[in-house]
Amino acid sequence: GAVVSQHPSWVICKSGTSVKIECRSLDFQATTMFWYRQFPKQSLMLMATSNEGSKATYEQGVEKDKFLINHASLTLSTLTVTSAHPEDSSFYICSARQRSYNEQFFGPGTRLTVL
Amino acid sequence: GENVEQHPSTLSVQEGDSAVIKCTYSDSASNYFPWYKQELGKRPQLIIDIRSNVGEKKDQRIAVTLNKTAKHFSLHITETQPEDSAVYFCAATPKETSYDKVIFGPGTSLSVIP
Repeated sequence: GAVVSQHPSWVICKSGTSVKIECRSLDFQATTMFWYRQFPKQSLMLMATSNEGSKATYEQGVEKDKFLINHASLTLSTLTVTSAHPEDSSFYICSARQRSYNEQFFGPGTRLTVL
Repeated sequence: GENVEQHPSTLSVQEGDSAVIKCTYSDSASNYFPWYKQELGKRPQLIIDIRSNVGEKKDQRIAVTLNKTAKHFSLHITETQPEDSAVYFCAATPKETSYDKVIFGPGTSLSVIP
């Protein structure tokens, strides 16, 4: 099956710093990638949708200047959490899908802890 | 936008019994309904999905039913086993754009008691 990787798997940073998370589709071309955030014992909340070569579409309430998303190629999308604060601590998961297919393939997630 | 509700939030069953999780959605244009299983700290895994032109789908011990008129869909797990214990999420894909984003329900924590 299709494989999606994420890097890093976990990161601890100081408040005020920026953190970049990478999402890669390893064996298929991902025309669309999605970024989710999941707080403990809660559901996955969609943050934004990105298509290769175009600007990301952010969900209501998600600050696009704080969560920078780049989808520069058909196999790579990045999420940068800028000026991170403790309330940004969460599990960030990406997913990727191919054109014309409904199924999304999820990455393993990145655990972000902001001190 | 699409809103997905899910019940119950927690469910405990004896090993061998059946488990049923029910979901509703709000957007009648939604056309794809996946179900995911997530173990603690892991990524969601697709276990079954159904499209809006189908009323029922089965895969071994797992089945999903869809009632488009009522905007309900349900997951049925028969002969439950301890390894079925996890959080299950239903989801819906509203046809707002060509991006087909997935909106998740709040989840059901299933415990299968040996």
